[in-house]
Amino acid sequence: DTGVSQDPRHKITKRGQNVTFRCDPISEHNRLYWYRQTLGQGPEFLTYFQNEAQLEKSRLLSDRFSAERPKGSFSTLEIQRTEQGDSAMYLCASSTHRGLGYGYTFGSGTRLTVV
Amino acid sequence: AQKVTQAQTEISVVEKEDVTLDCVYETRDTTYYLFWYKQPPSGELVFLIRRNSFDEQNEISGRYSWNFQKSTSSFNFTITASQVVDSAVYFCARSYTGANSKLTFGKGITLSVRP
Repeated sequence: DTGVSQDPRHKITKRGQNVTFRCDPISEHNRLYWYRQTLGQGPEFLTYFQNEAQLEKSRLLSDRFSAERPKGSFSTLEIQRTEQGDSAMYLCASSTHRGLGYGYTFGSGTRLTVV
Repeated sequence: AQKVTQAQTEISVVEKEDVTLDCVYETRDTTYYLFWYKQPPSGELVFLIRRNSFDEQNEISGRYSWNFQKSTSSFNFTITASQVVDSAVYFCARSYTGANSKLTFGKGITLSVRP
């Protein structure tokens, strides 16, 4: 069990470019979550998957954001036409379907800077 | 939205002092879970403790203890004999049962423990 892995750890991009982040959950976890954390704030829920199904999306997830989890394993989060306001830490977490309230395992996050 | 409020923003203590971190949550649910997470400078969210809404028994785990009071919707966390390594941002969070298992976080409390 190597925990939740996120790649890359850091990403600097120019405004208007597209970026994609990857999350590899703990292998036996069928739930996967994405959160965004801006400076001085707590993480905010973006979306989550149970297996390959995306079951909920936050209103924070604008049309420029898309997340996928093909085959119910790893997940990708893509941001198109990045804006400076997208600069944040993007956190991935996973849990089992019995993980309701049993504590998630978070990855180390991907820090995005849009210049 | 049902909020989690951490009224304290920054706390500074001298090593070996006890420190209590406050958390107040809103809920319309009868079943929910509460958490405390620690985020050291490295950025990873580290799970500390969880309680479910049916169990108000307060416990001690090593140097950590928590006080859960449904009557006041509070879930306070105490570190006894603080150490420099306890310096981090601490987040209180709540989750929901059912299909919606997202976490709602407070804004966090920055704890600095001075030698």
